[in-house]
Amino acid sequence: NAGVTQTPKFQVLKTGQSMTLQCAQDMNHNSMYWYRQDPGMGLRLIYYSASEGTTDKGEVPNGYNVSRLNKREFSLRLESAAPSQTSVYFCASSEDRAEKLFFGSGTQLSVL
Amino acid sequence: LAKTTQPISMDSYEGQEVNITCSHNNIATNDYITWYQQFPSQGPRFIIQGYKTKVTNEVASLFIPADRKSSTLSLPRVSLSDTAVYYCLVGSKAAGNKLTFGGGTRVLVKP
Repeated sequence: NAGVTQTPKFQVLKTGQSMTLQCAQDMNHNSMYWYRQDPGMGLRLIYYSASEGTTDKGEVPNGYNVSRLNKREFSLRLESAAPSQTSVYFCASSEDRAEKLFFGSGTQLSVL
Repeated sequence: LAKTTQPISMDSYEGQEVNITCSHNNIATNDYITWYQQFPSQGPRFIIQGYKTKVTNEVASLFIPADRKSSTLSLPRVSLSDTAVYYCLVGSKAAGNKLTFGGGTRVLVKP
């Protein structure tokens, strides 16, 4: 039982490059989330998906897009990476909103 | 959206009880209060969740007064391994509700 799996674990990009962060959960959860955490700071919500087929903006959605591919998978795309997007990205899932969140181990992204 | 306020940091010693209070003055009727623990280089981990009064599990207790404008996470007899950042979240299943983390409380447990 893997829980929430994120790939890749580390990534270095040049300014302007694009990439997609992958997230998959095997707990049959309805809701999935993407957060970013800057050094020494709390987590900020980028996007979330309350259920398959729906996505909504969080606190800091600018510069990102998401896709809820199916119930298991929720990807985060950076179309044109900027140094300000250097951060650790966490994916999470929950059975329903406000239920217990299960987090992945994170993706450490550096944009040069 | 219910905003939360927590102390930035707290120090304690092994074997002591640690109490962290979170203020959420504009909590809505349907909102639950949830606490998470985060170790360095890891994602947050669920500790406890409650709606009112007191909730206890094998790890912690959560005290919520009648007006629900604050809550207190109590960690009994902490050990060095309890050194972490603790986050208080307030949210509900309502459409459009966004589960947001505040800055958290950095707890340092000393020998």
